[in-house]
Amino acid sequence: DAKTTQPPSMDCAEGRAANLPCNHSTISGNEYVYWYRQIHSQGPQYIIHGLKNNETNEMASLIITEDRKSSTLILPHATLRDTAVYYCIVKTPGSEKLVFGKGTKLTVNP
Amino acid sequence: EAGVAQSPRYKIIEKRQSVAFWCNPISGHATLYWYQQILGQGPKLLIQFQNNGVVDDSQLPKDRFSAERLKGVDSTLKIQPAKLEDSAVYLCASSARTSGSPTGELFFGEGSRLTVL
Repeated sequence: DAKTTQPPSMDCAEGRAANLPCNHSTISGNEYVYWYRQIHSQGPQYIIHGLKNNETNEMASLIITEDRKSSTLILPHATLRDTAVYYCIVKTPGSEKLVFGKGTKLTVNP
Repeated sequence: EAGVAQSPRYKIIEKRQSVAFWCNPISGHATLYWYQQILGQGPKLLIQFQNNGVVDDSQLPKDRFSAERLKGVDSTLKIQPAKLEDSAVYLCASSARTSGSPTGELFFGEGSRLTVL
């Protein structure tokens, strides 16, 4: 079973920041938070992952709360191509298995 | 770098018929996965291979589903006989295991969409 809770859907205006929340209150100390996204008719695509510290790459930023019970994925300047289902996944190191929930359907509007 | 290749992209069959899906992972990736994604849901892991050995097949319905990765490279997933509830997208993914690394990114193919009538 997925260990995360995400809102089923969100909307964002093009050019604005999209902030996608994820609750993982039962996360263990050595478990990572991963984000993937799935654009329509494609396979999921890796975005970013983190353990304790905030992370940033060319696609997004990941903010993890100090107690690690929740996190937020930030797309700083959303475009129409960012419309997708975003999955927040808690992953145990050493296990390469990803357990997907239903994710958040993000719609970026012009 | 070539991505994960899957075929066919689409398949329509009658219930009780058989079907096979093929996957060629990214070159050098030792770990290969098959996921099933039913409409409106997230992908569910069916089976995981490490080279040509099965690591996890706990959620594979073994009475009708089978998968193999004989030479540790490409893989085939078979369904026989198919049921209506097998209608889904079948996703193949691969990852490279890095010694000492606790994390590993999965690369997914575009999937094979199965419709069972």
